Amino acid sequence: DVVMTQTPVSLSVSLGGQTSISCRSSQSLVHSDGNTYLYWYLQKPGQSPQLLIYKVSNRFSGVPDRFSGSGSGTDFTLKISRVEPEDLGVYYCYQGTHYPYTFGAGTKLELK
Amino acid sequence: EVQLQQSGAELGKPGTSVKLSCKVSGYNIRNTYMHWVNQRPGKGLEWIGRIDPANGNTIYAEKFKSKATLTADTSSNTAYMQLSQLKSDDTAIYFCAMGPLYWGQGVMVTVSS
Repeated sequence: DVVMTQTPVSLSVSLGGQTSISCRSSQSLVHSDGNTYLYWYLQKPGQSPQLLIYKVSNRFSGVPDRFSGSGSGTDFTLKISRVEPEDLGVYYCYQGTHYPYTFGAGTKLELK
Repeated sequence: EVQLQQSGAELGKPGTSVKLSCKVSGYNIRNTYMHWVNQRPGKGLEWIGRIDPANGNTIYAEKFKSKATLTADTSSNTAYMQLSQLKSDDTAIYFCAMGPLYWGQGVMVTVSS
């Protein structure tokens, strides 16, 4: 199985500040069709995960441009700029290239 | 608007089975894969498996092969997951998801005697 290693486990950030989360996969996430199926989700307490970024760097509909994804192969990053209160929660990376699909362990974003 | 509506919370006794449903509106499930994910209390997300409703083909994570059975009814646009031989370790929230984009609200399954 592909292991998704997310760092850090938790982040403390000031409102209006900037931060980033790293996600590394144990093997390349480039699919045989040429796409890289790496996603980023935010899960707020008591809610289902909400998609932020799909295929590494594409923002899902309605996601503010404060969120950006980058990376390739096995190394990916989610950047959040101008952090707002509604950004707090747990962030997960997720790979949909190799079965079984797998999630990172999560990064909890908290206010400083 | 795409919506996934999951059935209500379940309380099951050890050794029994439960069947969860996920009704999709706003999109024909024949044109997508339906996934199931769980989240144990206070823990992260775990992919269980997926079904192609168009032909019933399924893929499971190894640890769920004898635990979960995924089915789909295209006439009612609904996906199902049956969990068998329930143990306390199966206590979790179970989410259905349409592709990676749209998720149900989750359903709590509690296993207790």
